[in-house]
Amino acid sequence: AQTVTQSQPEMSVQEAETVTLSCTYDTSESNYYLFWYKQPPSRQMILVIRQEAYKQQNATENRFSVNFQKAAKSFSLKISDSQLGDTAMYFCAFMKHVNTGTASKLTFGTGTRLQVTL
Amino acid sequence: ETGVTQTPRHLVMGMTNKKSLKCEQHLGHNAMYWYKQSAKKPLELMFVYNFKEQTENNSVPSRFSPECPNSSHLFLHLHTLQPEDSALYLCASSQGPLGGTQYFGPGTRLLVL
Repeated sequence: AQTVTQSQPEMSVQEAETVTLSCTYDTSESNYYLFWYKQPPSRQMILVIRQEAYKQQNATENRFSVNFQKAAKSFSLKISDSQLGDTAMYFCAFMKHVNTGTASKLTFGTGTRLQVTL
Repeated sequence: ETGVTQTPRHLVMGMTNKKSLKCEQHLGHNAMYWYKQSAKKPLELMFVYNFKEQTENNSVPSRFSPECPNSSHLFLHLHTLQPEDSALYLCASSQGPLGGTQYFGPGTRLLVL
């Protein structure tokens, strides 16, 4: 079974600064996907970024980028130029690749609550 | 309507009531999911449907009964719930279960009295 660990329950960053959220995972799979989702106070779970394990290049999406270290099973999220609207709960998630018609399930971490301050 | 919608957004019910949660996706996806989000716990996958067929039941109690009449609609029928079932119920959809990114609805906040 896969596990996802987010060791930082809460973090705070000032507006315009950079912050990094940590995530580690445990799996015996070689082909899988990793995700970061954000959940603002509105409760809508929003996809931030996705990484395929077979890709060596780190995914980026505007101000969001990841540091994917496959050997270390680490998948951190860097938010640059933080904005007040980035205040949210951030979840790291793992999905293994399946080749058959069965379900591909997301395994979530417990989340990191990020507060962006003025 | 765009994305994934869920109704109602909030629901209060007694332990003897019967209610249903509705989810609709407007993304042309063929897989749909129900998750439960409780305080201080990771999201828990409850059910998965692929092309209207249930492919996963993650040991969910029978007081939760899913229904998927077509690839765009997903229901969760609730009956004789317990207070510990109070949680945020999230619906998601993806292009397919094979590594497809899941997109979530806004959730239904359920309180069982």
